[in-house]
Amino acid sequence: AQSVTQPDIHITVSEGASLELRCNYSYGATPYLFWYVQSPGQGLQLLLKYFSGDTLVQGIKGFEAEFKRSQSSFNLRKPSVHWSDAAEYFCAVVPLDNTDKLIFGTGTRLQVFP
Amino acid sequence: EPEVTQTPSHQVTQMGQEVILRCVPISNHLYFYWYRQILGQKVEFLVSFYNNEISEKSEIFDDQFSVERPDGSNFTLKIRSTKLEDSAMYFCASREGRSQPQHFGDGTRLSIL
Repeated sequence: AQSVTQPDIHITVSEGASLELRCNYSYGATPYLFWYVQSPGQGLQLLLKYFSGDTLVQGIKGFEAEFKRSQSSFNLRKPSVHWSDAAEYFCAVVPLDNTDKLIFGTGTRLQVFP
Repeated sequence: EPEVTQTPSHQVTQMGQEVILRCVPISNHLYFYWYRQILGQKVEFLVSFYNNEISEKSEIFDDQFSVERPDGSNFTLKIRSTKLEDSAMYFCASREGRSQPQHFGDGTRLSIL
């Protein structure tokens, strides 16, 4: 079945540590890929997007993500996490099969310890 | 930076009542969306809207739901007779064109009593 999978429900890291949040998708063709962040009580803010081209994309707040076609993955990374990065992170895709709706993963809650 | 704005931020309504959630998309955007997030669950697509008509809707978007763009700036979601299970955070999003990302508002938390 077509889906977006974020295998980690909850991740805890220390401030200054590196971070990788995993995202896998199962669609026939490469979809458009996105990461959104949701701070408590806030809306969904776009971190970065991949449509085509360079498989390593840079986003806001020092985040980057790498598209790996062979693994159907689009993992989010940050070399040094700040306490303000604590939030819920959603991977999302637009499947491109005659639709432009976003399909979201279940989210990963990031907790940052000082 | 232009934003999608949603009002109200929190709406409390009695079951069976009608509710209208309002959104002002980014001004030069052409594609509009509603999503919802039930507490503890993932964000789900409800409906997309382009050129003054619905372009796609999900199974959730039944006859109790409707959308409207009454003027050049607002985009509304109406739930005609609310049910307890309609309690959720509702997000509006808009997009400028193809190969452009969707931008979201801060959401309206709808609580049905």
